[in-house]
Formats: sequence, structure tokens, C-alpha cells
Amino acid sequence: NAGVMQNPRHLVRRRGQEARLRCSPMKGHSHVYWYRQLPEEGLKFMVYLQKENIIDESGMPKERFSAEFPKEGPSILRIQQVVRGDSAAYFCASSQTPVDGREAFFGQGTRLTVV
Amino acid sequence: GESVGLHLPTLSVQEGDNSIINCAYSNSASDYFIWYKQESGKGPQFIIDIRSNMDKRQGQRVTVLLNKTVKHLSLQIAATQPGDSAVYFCAENTGSARQLTFGSGTQLTVLP
Repeated sequence: NAGVMQNPRHLVRRRGQEARLRCSPMKGHSHVYWYRQLPEEGLKFMVYLQKENIIDESGMPKERFSAEFPKEGPSILRIQQVVRGDSAAYFCASSQTPVDGREAFFGQGTRLTVV
Repeated sequence: GESVGLHLPTLSVQEGDNSIINCAYSNSASDYFIWYKQESGKGPQFIIDIRSNMDKRQGQRVTVLLNKTVKHLSLQIAATQPGDSAVYFCAENTGSARQLTFGSGTQLTVLP
């Protein structure tokens, strides 16, 4: 059973471009969480999704950021018109039930660099 | 606002010694805490958890202690090994959707 798969592992975008980050949860997991990690900081919650639904997006910036988890395919975190401050590592975690720590598994992250 | 924070950003220990990593939290209503290990270039990996109705929990070479009176959490690693070198985060499970709130991390370096 493959773990949580994120791609790409590294992504470079110029200011103003769009970034698309993908997360394929573990098999059987229908709950996906996205986190952002700035250098030498802890992970910050962004959004929690179940299949086809956004459950909690309280950590998501109001503009330029969006997330989806379609019925088929991976969860996508989309950042439009990227700026330098968007440079960070983006991690997703998946779980079978609403996360309770132990049951959440993290992917290896996508490192976004905006130049 | 509520936060989870760490006392020390870095910790160096000799191989074979015990390590203690500390964490303070401010949300007195928190009822569940987790320690994660993050190696360079990887995602966080679950180590051990503890619920607020406990004050101690032991795993393989790791022990978590919870002091609710002073809102303090610690992770003890016995006989620290080079493979233990990583950043360690404490986190609390919070929010209506039970998202994780992470502290800023402690870099543990094991010296030969």
C-alpha cells in the first residue's frame, strides 16, 4: 500500500504564474489535509477536504488559493499568480476518518520556489 | 490566540545519552497531543500521542509526559541514536475539523 503521494516534489514558478500541487491519499482514505511549512517553522493548517467537499478552509488565504478533492483523482492545491511569499513546502496528510493524529499520514511534500 | 510552542530551537546530545524535548501549549482545552519527527526533505512522521486524561505514555525508546497544570509536554528519547537526528514537533488536535496545530520545532542533533 503506497503512502501519501505528492507531486511534484519540487516546483519552480515565476512570479505571476500558477502552481498546481497534487496529493494522492493512501488507498481507502477519504480525508485530506493540506499544510504549509515556511523555512524553520512548524506546519500551518490550510484546508481540510473530503471527497468533493471542502470541510474547513479556515487556514487558506482568501485570495489566489483554492483546493479541491474530486470524486476521481488526486486532491489539488492551486495557487494563482504566485508571489515570492508563497515559497514554502506544502504537505498533505490523509486519513480514513477525521484526523486524530495517529491515523494521519503525511506525504513528502512539494517544495515550491517562486523566482 | 492559541498556540503551541517549543522552549528550545536546537538540542545536541551525545550518542547513547537520553534526549528531552520540551513543548508548551496555551490552549487549556486541548485534549490530545502528538509528537512528530521530520527528517530533512520528508514529511512529518508520527512518533507518539497522549490524551489529556493521561500524564505519561511510553513507546519504543520514547516517552511522552504531559503536565496539564503548567501546560507542558515533553518527549524523552532513550539511548539516542544517529538516526534520531531530525526536527521534532509537538502538535495538538484542535478545531472543529480536528486539524493539527504545530509548534515551531526543535532540531535534535546526535553527536558521535
